[in-house]
Amino acid sequence: GAGVSQSPRYKVAKRGQDVALRCDPISGHVSLFWYQQALGQGPEFLTYFQNEAQLDKSGLPSDRFFAERPEGSVSTLKIQRTQQEDSAVYLCASSLASTTEAFFGQGTRLTVV
Amino acid sequence: KNEVEQSPQNLTAQEGEFITINCSYSVGISALHWLQQHPGGGIVSLFMLSSGKKKHGRLIATINIQEKHSSLHITASHPRDSAVYICAVGQFYFGTGTSLTVIP
Repeated sequence: GAGVSQSPRYKVAKRGQDVALRCDPISGHVSLFWYQQALGQGPEFLTYFQNEAQLDKSGLPSDRFFAERPEGSVSTLKIQRTQQEDSAVYLCASSLASTTEAFFGQGTRLTVV
Repeated sequence: KNEVEQSPQNLTAQEGEFITINCSYSVGISALHWLQQHPGGGIVSLFMLSSGKKKHGRLIATINIQEKHSSLHITASHPRDSAVYICAVGQFYFGTGTSLTVIP
């Protein structure tokens, strides 16, 4: 595709519900990053993939957060048993390599009620 | 954690003014990025630099590796420059952003 695509754009979840957020990176981009952005804050790193390998998941805030990229392209960020503090915009970015320019998706705004 | 710090947090300028946003970092660096974020969330990469200075139109970015400091300058600011500007070290450490409003 022309850019990084994320879906859904908006998600409202009841507390305790599981959610899955999808990221379609730019074709051929090896590196894929997930970030969490709270209102008025900068993005916070969650996890990083190189192809299908999850090389860094140090930013995942709890074991309720899980990310995968099984075929090295599309990635899914799953949040189990959502809590109100999970409300944020979740951003995905992809790049040719981890040290090159990253292209960001529009984000998924998650609201947990 | 304050691996990347930006100043100022908020900035209001009159159209035509010269604007400077500063970024200081404490972590090792392969590259520093300046990003622009408009309301609604879309983030666009403005610059990626690891040394010296880069210029694109009215935007100039500089970096001093020894001092671990970078600046983003906007010359002849325009209301369409109103956005949040974010400094990032690599792809892992982000500043909290500088919210810029340019008034006509």
